[in-house]
Amino acid sequence: KAGVTQTPRYLIKTRGQQVTLSCSPISGHRSVSWYQQTPGQGLQFLFEYFSETQRNKGNFPGRFSGRQFSNSRSEMNVSTLELGDSALYLCASSSGPRGRETQYFGPGTRLLVL
Amino acid sequence: DQQVKQNSPSLSVQEGRISILNCDYTNSMFDYFLWYKKYPAEGPTFLISISSIKDKNEDGRFTVFLNKSAKHLSLHIVPSQPGDSAVYFCAAIESGNTPLVFGKGTRLSVIA
Repeated sequence: KAGVTQTPRYLIKTRGQQVTLSCSPISGHRSVSWYQQTPGQGLQFLFEYFSETQRNKGNFPGRFSGRQFSNSRSEMNVSTLELGDSALYLCASSSGPRGRETQYFGPGTRLLVL
Repeated sequence: DQQVKQNSPSLSVQEGRISILNCDYTNSMFDYFLWYKKYPAEGPTFLISISSIKDKNEDGRFTVFLNKSAKHLSLHIVPSQPGDSAVYFCAAIESGNTPLVFGKGTRLSVIA
């Protein structure tokens, strides 16, 4: 099976712009979660989508949003970019019983905000 | 407040010896634990998991031990190999939930 894919792999934006990141989960996985990794805060949960519905949300401002399509592919959007949004954004897909599922990660999108 | 703590930012081990990575947690609602390995410029790779109903799970060279009363888990790698050099993350999940709560990672260096 192909793994989780994320596009683009690298992105440079300027403050105030918006960005959209894409994630294709492992075939058959219906849950897609997004995480932000920064040197200071580590890996932090952004949100989770299951069957096109947001099932869980982390403690991030409303500038961070996402959606999931009927084929389980997911996108996340960050509006009005700030310097502090520079990070590695990771997508993970999973299947199986909630709370016992193993999440498999993509390679990430590295976003640099100037 | 960090719910999952990896107190050793780095660890160096000689090739062939045992690597022991430690993780502590504070949330008693966590009942499923996972270890991930991460190389630079890649996403975390799943290694091994353990449910709170067990105290040990083994997969090849990797063994995870869980001490619920101490809220402590550890990952043992035997024997350690140079390719094991990476950052290791401990993660936990609350019962019936999805989000992984990660520790900040331990950088393991296996020296040949």
